[in-house]
Amino acid sequence: EIVMTQSPATLSVSPGERATLSCRASQSVSSNLAWFQQKPGLAPRLLIYAVSTRATGIPARFSGSGSGTEFTLTISSLQSEDFAVYYCQQYNNWPPFTFGPGTKVDNK
Amino acid sequence: EVQLVESGGGLVQPGRSLRLSCAASGFTFDDYAMHWVRQAPGKGLEWVSGISWNSDRIVYADSVKGRFTISRDNAKNSLFLQMNSLRAEDTAFYYCVKDVAMIVGGCFDPWGQGTLVTVSS
Repeated sequence: EIVMTQSPATLSVSPGERATLSCRASQSVSSNLAWFQQKPGLAPRLLIYAVSTRATGIPARFSGSGSGTEFTLTISSLQSEDFAVYYCQQYNNWPPFTFGPGTKVDNK
Repeated sequence: EVQLVESGGGLVQPGRSLRLSCAASGFTFDDYAMHWVRQAPGKGLEWVSGISWNSDRIVYADSVKGRFTISRDNAKNSLFLQMNSLRAEDTAFYYCVKDVAMIVGGCFDPWGQGTLVTVSS
């Protein structure tokens, strides 16, 4: 099973600032890596797939990068609606499909 | 607009069974694989099971293998999860999730709103 880890667990950011979230896989997942955003009381929403492709309707301030085992989600200028928990997920080696434990982005 | 509406959750005693349903609309249901993903209250995401468009490929997480059964009825645009021998650790919100491909691929979009299953005596 591929284990996904994320850092930091919590990221405190002010609106307008840049947020950088990290995700690491225990072995290579090639480019089969997605990012999800989850707000309290709501279902997760796909932000990024294939490492760097934004899902439909996702603003350009969200970008993904990386390869192999190290990946990054960047929010270039954080908006108030971006405070949420972010999960990375690999879909390269399965079953199982595995998620990271999440990074909570909160208001500094 | 794609809609996935789960139902069937509730309070159930350990060892008992429950069947979840997911009603899909807004897309051609039998063109896509489907999944169940769960989330214990206040915890992270755990993939549970996936099924290809024609039910030819079915996969499970080890934690539910032998106890849960995923199925689909393409004529009724519906996905199901039969959960037997339920345990306290199965307590979670269960999300119905659409794959972006016909085969099980693991790119999940979108998700339903979830249904809560609570296993407790």
